Amino acid sequence: GAVVSQHPSWVICKSGTSVKIECRSLDFQATTMFWYRQFPKQSLMLMATSNEGSKATYEQGVEKDKFLINHASLTLSTLTVTSAHPEDSSFYICSAPGNPGLAGDEQFFGPGTRLTVL
Amino acid sequence: AQSVSQHNHHVILSEAASLELGCNYSYGGTVNLFWYVQYPGQHLQLLLKYFSGDPLVKGIKGFEAEFIKSKFSFNLRKPSVQWSDTAEYFCAVNGRRGGNKLTFGTGTQLKVEL
Repeated sequence: GAVVSQHPSWVICKSGTSVKIECRSLDFQATTMFWYRQFPKQSLMLMATSNEGSKATYEQGVEKDKFLINHASLTLSTLTVTSAHPEDSSFYICSAPGNPGLAGDEQFFGPGTRLTVL
Repeated sequence: AQSVSQHNHHVILSEAASLELGCNYSYGGTVNLFWYVQYPGQHLQLLLKYFSGDPLVKGIKGFEAEFIKSKFSFNLRKPSVQWSDTAEYFCAVNGRRGGNKLTFGTGTQLKVEL
């Protein structure tokens, strides 16, 4: 199946700094990617939809100025957590649909990025 | 808005026991349904999916799930589990009008003991 990578796999930062997380589709093009957040022992919560060449679409309650998303190319989306605080500590996962033209098609998930804000 | 409920949060089974994990969803239209699995230290992988047709779908590693529209359910089953099935299992729903956006259940942690 298609492969999605994330970098870094884990990051520790100080409160107030910004952290960038990359999501790449390695062997296919992704005009759309999704960013999720997973709290310990909880489900994945969709944060935003990243669209290549246009603005991201954020889910209700997600601060777009806090979580900046840039879909720079057909294989790369980045999530920047700005002015990170300890409550932003979480597991961030991205995914990309194998066939964005087929609504509801299988999504391929990255391995996730563990963010810890001190 | 769509939502997904998984009632079993933790399940412990012995090898060769049968498995059934419950999943119920709420959505006012036609849905696509998925089960994803996350093995320890690995990323989410698709087990099986239902789009249309036969409501009994078969996935990888001997798993199957049955879509019962009247009950808004999509329960996951396996007749005989193995130790290697120890993982977290997520049911997910995609409303046809929502594009590719997935709503996940809270997950079920399955532990299979030897």
